[in-house]
Amino acid sequence: KAGVTQTPRYLIKTRGQQVTLSCSPISGHRSVSWYQQTPGQGLQFLFEYFSETQRNKGNFPGRFSGRQFSNSRSEMNVSTLELGDSALYLCASSLDQGKLFFGSGTQLSVL
Amino acid sequence: EDQVTQSPEALRLQEGESSSLNCSYTVSGLRGLFWYRQDPGKGPEFLFTLYSAGEEKEKERLKATLTKKESFLHITAPKPEDSATYLCAVQRRSGGSNYKLTFGKGTLLTVNP
Repeated sequence: KAGVTQTPRYLIKTRGQQVTLSCSPISGHRSVSWYQQTPGQGLQFLFEYFSETQRNKGNFPGRFSGRQFSNSRSEMNVSTLELGDSALYLCASSLDQGKLFFGSGTQLSVL
Repeated sequence: EDQVTQSPEALRLQEGESSSLNCSYTVSGLRGLFWYRQDPGKGPEFLFTLYSAGEEKEKERLKATLTKKESFLHITAPKPEDSATYLCAVQRRSGGSNYKLTFGKGTLLTVNP
């Protein structure tokens, strides 16, 4: 069974640009969550989608947004990038409540 | 607000030297406490879920325990391949579905041969 797939693996952007990250969950998983991981703050919850609806949202500015498609694939978008947005962005899918299966992440560097 | 504090931040052990990692938490109604392992360049990998005080779970050299305020991850006779960052997370009990996990910053474990 294929795991959670995130693309791209690495991304370099400049301040002010926008970026879109993609996540394909494990087949059959309808919940997709996104987390930001930095050395200083650790893993922080961004948002969670279930059946194309955002059910939970973390404390991030509106520049961070996401969506989920009918096939459960998800994308997250960050507009007007700032230096502080440099981080590992992790996607996780879930079948059972709480037991998350993570992808390898997208390492975003903002210059 | 839910809080998770892990200690120590980093731990170095010799192969075979048993030890424990600590996870202290405050949450308004605990639904579950989770342990994950993260290797460099990879996403976290699920290890255990604990639901109530007194519960214990084991997997190979790892054993997780839970009290009302903290959880311990005991590592017995570790091997170099156990080197990783171990993350603890809590999920709050709430009305309706809530998949949000609040993570600690992790403990970086290094096991020397």
